[in-house]
Amino acid sequence: AQKITQTQPGMFVQEKEAVTLDCTYDTSDQSYGLFWYKQPSSGEMIFLIYQGSYDEQNATEGRYSLNFQKARKSANLVISASQLGDSAMYFCAMSPSDYKLSFGAGTTVTVRA
Amino acid sequence: DAGVIQSPRHEVTEMGQEVTLRCKPISGHNSLFWYRQTMMRGLELLIYFNNNVPIDDSGMPEDRFSAKMPNASFSTLKIQPSEPRDSAVYFCASRDDRSTEAFFGQGTRLTVV
Repeated sequence: AQKITQTQPGMFVQEKEAVTLDCTYDTSDQSYGLFWYKQPSSGEMIFLIYQGSYDEQNATEGRYSLNFQKARKSANLVISASQLGDSAMYFCAMSPSDYKLSFGAGTTVTVRA
Repeated sequence: DAGVIQSPRHEVTEMGQEVTLRCKPISGHNSLFWYRQTMMRGLELLIYFNNNVPIDDSGMPEDRFSAKMPNASFSTLKIQPSEPRDSAVYFCASRDDRSTEAFFGQGTRLTVV
């Protein structure tokens, strides 16, 4: 069974600075996908970024980048140039070869002006 | 496409009553997920369907919970009888396995009094 671990319950970041959210995972599959979702206070789940296990380059989407270290089973999310609207809960998720999608406990990010 | 549609958005019911939550996935998506979100337990995967077949229901808390997917465009999650500890936000998500991200519905906020 796969397991996703997010060790940071909450983080504070100054506006315009970068923040790194940690995520480690455990799976015996060779083929899997890694995801990050954002959940603002309004409650919806917003997809941010995806990394495939065979992708050699780290995924980037605008201000979001995924620092993928396969050997360490790590998929950290980096948010650059933080904005007040980035304040939200962030979830790391993994989908192994059976396509099941499981989430970590989440990290709350608060951006300070 | 209108996205994943869940109904109702809010449900308040008395303990012991039957509750049915509904989900219409995005047309063409072949994977469907039901999640429960609480402060204490985070985002838990309850059950996962692939091509209308339940693949993994290990997250279903107990026999009071049941889920069906009679066709590719509709799924239900039923709780009978409901208990106050079932109070949570229930999300449905769907995905095309040829793609990457899963799309979430707006969720159903269930309150059992």
